[in-house]
Amino acid sequence: DTEVTQTPKHLVMGMTNKKSLKCEQHMGHRAMYWYKQKAKKPPELMFVYSYEKLSINESVPSRFSPECPNSSLLNLHLHALQPEDSALYLCASSPSPLADLQDTQYFGPGTRLTVL
Amino acid sequence: AQTVTQSQPEMSVQEAETVTLSCTYDTSESDYYLFWYKQPPSRQMILVIRQEAYKQQNATENRFSVNFQKAAKSFSLKISDSQLGDAAMYFCALTSIRGQGGSEKLVFGKGTKLTVNP
Repeated sequence: DTEVTQTPKHLVMGMTNKKSLKCEQHMGHRAMYWYKQKAKKPPELMFVYSYEKLSINESVPSRFSPECPNSSLLNLHLHALQPEDSALYLCASSPSPLADLQDTQYFGPGTRLTVL
Repeated sequence: AQTVTQSQPEMSVQEAETVTLSCTYDTSESDYYLFWYKQPPSRQMILVIRQEAYKQQNATENRFSVNFQKAAKSFSLKISDSQLGDAAMYFCALTSIRGQGGSEKLVFGKGTKLTVNP
């Protein structure tokens, strides 16, 4: 089973709100990713967690704050966002280096975020 | 730096026909993986096919196959017997072999929008 789940599916928030996106996988994957995708564009990498530690931060503004509480869960905390942050936020995970299909990223269905 | 280029922003195909989507890439790595992902309007990014660069044999998955030309740095996707459900945005992507500590970046092309006509 290659399932990554994301909640909520849709989120509308004001610029002063604080909200969180959640991503979960139970495949034993050791790397988890956050991407931002604008309409008709490819996904842009934001953060990578490897073995629950932040390994890549693509110079994302501090109003986005990732958190990896355990190996199955990845959160993205949102605060004081701007309208241009409206996008589809995708989560992905990939197996550990010793597993089959390592380096293959499996994506969740995404959260459609609208910032008013 | 690694780059992936998809030169066809849009393609169309008749149902039951065959279509080929193009992808070229550039990397200085000797070991890497190449992928095709499909993203239908429902928006979930779905893995279509995966190719290890060290394997000469082209990957196949049912109606989907690739033509991997390592020297030319070309990685095209062929869809046979096209179905209405194949309509989607297709992204070609590249990642180098995983480095120390786990993950590596996935570099995407800009995508090709495939329309399937009944």
